[in-house]
Amino acid sequence: DGGITQSPKYLFRKEGQNVTLSCEQNLNHDAMYWYRQDPGQGLRLIYYSQIVNDFQKGDIAEGYSVSREKKESFPLTVTSAQKNPTAFYLCASSLGGMNTEAFFGQGTRLTVV
Amino acid sequence: AQSVTQLGSHVSVSEGALVLLRCNYSSSVPPYLFWYVQYPNQGLQLLLKYTSAATLVKGINGFEAEFKKSETSFHLTKPSAHMSDAAEYFCAVSDYRIIFGSGTRLSIRP
Repeated sequence: DGGITQSPKYLFRKEGQNVTLSCEQNLNHDAMYWYRQDPGQGLRLIYYSQIVNDFQKGDIAEGYSVSREKKESFPLTVTSAQKNPTAFYLCASSLGGMNTEAFFGQGTRLTVV
Repeated sequence: AQSVTQLGSHVSVSEGALVLLRCNYSSSVPPYLFWYVQYPNQGLQLLLKYTSAATLVKGINGFEAEFKKSETSFHLTKPSAHMSDAAEYFCAVSDYRIIFGSGTRLSIRP
């Protein structure tokens, strides 16, 4: 079954702790993306990667970090520098280029207490 | 930078009525546009995409969208709403990044 797997579905962390969200795809896609979703604000782009070992900041990268060491994996670390980390995080992938649609994982809901 | 604006954060229609969800884009070059649907606590699913091959694009679940360059619009329509259409809908534009609008929540009244 081809697709994108995000784990875990729900994640709880204490304030001040770093946390890493997993995203794996077996679609052989070159491009991968991380979005943050808050009520009424749509999806905001955190980081994206068009190719292995390369990634770019999106619109809200502050307080987040990523790596792209393997084509199929694009983990997102939410650091303690992120002021308001509680949100729904969505990972996506695409073939890359400008006219290719994104395929999404089921999301991870992060709650920081 | 390219962007999309969705007019109306919440739209409510009766079952069987026309669905119209509005999206306007801002782009200095021919845009690549998409509509996605999201059900509660799930990821997004592609409804349709504009490829410049035709201005009227048909998607899944009976939805379609018309690209109007003169109005910089890409509105989503469905002739007859069904209860199962209740969800959040997002318009998006791609320039290697994929940028989403703020979303429109569609409610269906029995």
